[in-house]
Amino acid sequence: AQSVTQPDIHITVSEGASLELRCNYSYGATPYLFWYVQSPGQGLQLLLKYFSGDTLVQGIKGFEAEFKRSQSSFNLRKPSVHWSDAAEYFCAVALSGGYQKVTFGTGTKLQVIP
Amino acid sequence: DTGVSQDPRHKITKRGQNVTFRCDPISEHNRLYWYRQTLGQGPEFLTYFQNEAQLEKSRLLSDRFSAERPKGSFSTLEIQRTEQGDSAMYLCASSVVREYNEQFFGPGTRLTVL
Repeated sequence: AQSVTQPDIHITVSEGASLELRCNYSYGATPYLFWYVQSPGQGLQLLLKYFSGDTLVQGIKGFEAEFKRSQSSFNLRKPSVHWSDAAEYFCAVALSGGYQKVTFGTGTKLQVIP
Repeated sequence: DTGVSQDPRHKITKRGQNVTFRCDPISEHNRLYWYRQTLGQGPEFLTYFQNEAQLEKSRLLSDRFSAERPKGSFSTLEIQRTEQGDSAMYLCASSVVREYNEQFFGPGTRLTVL
């Protein structure tokens, strides 16, 4: 069964600092990979996705993620964090083909300090 | 607003009562999903529709839970004889039928069972 691990439950960064959120997946083939953000009282918003091709993908709000097949990782990065980035971030995977059931990680809560 | 909508946003009920939630997907989306999210966890898949057909149900969906999508448009999720363990955020998502399963999420319905 596919699974997603986000090892960091909570991360605190200073505004303007760089950010990297870790995500590792377990699956026999290359899945589709996603990062979602959830702000309090809001639904999940898709930041970026990887299906194939270039392993460095750009998303919205200045986020990017790099797929590393050898490490089964899909880490999310942002060079300079803004206070409005404080939220919970979820990594997710889906099987290729079929209806692509999505499996989410447990999330990383990001706190941004001024 | 053409996003996924859910109603109600919050529901407080007493143990043993029945509750029903509604999800209106993006109009051209023929796939609809229900997820449950508890505190500190990522969303967990409950069930999935393609048009009006319910194609998969998770083992999380006990016989107290039922979901319908009668005309292939909106969907309802009913929980009978609610238990305190049912307290969670119930999320709905929709997508189109294509190779890439980008799901768009609604804001969720937060259920509290007293």
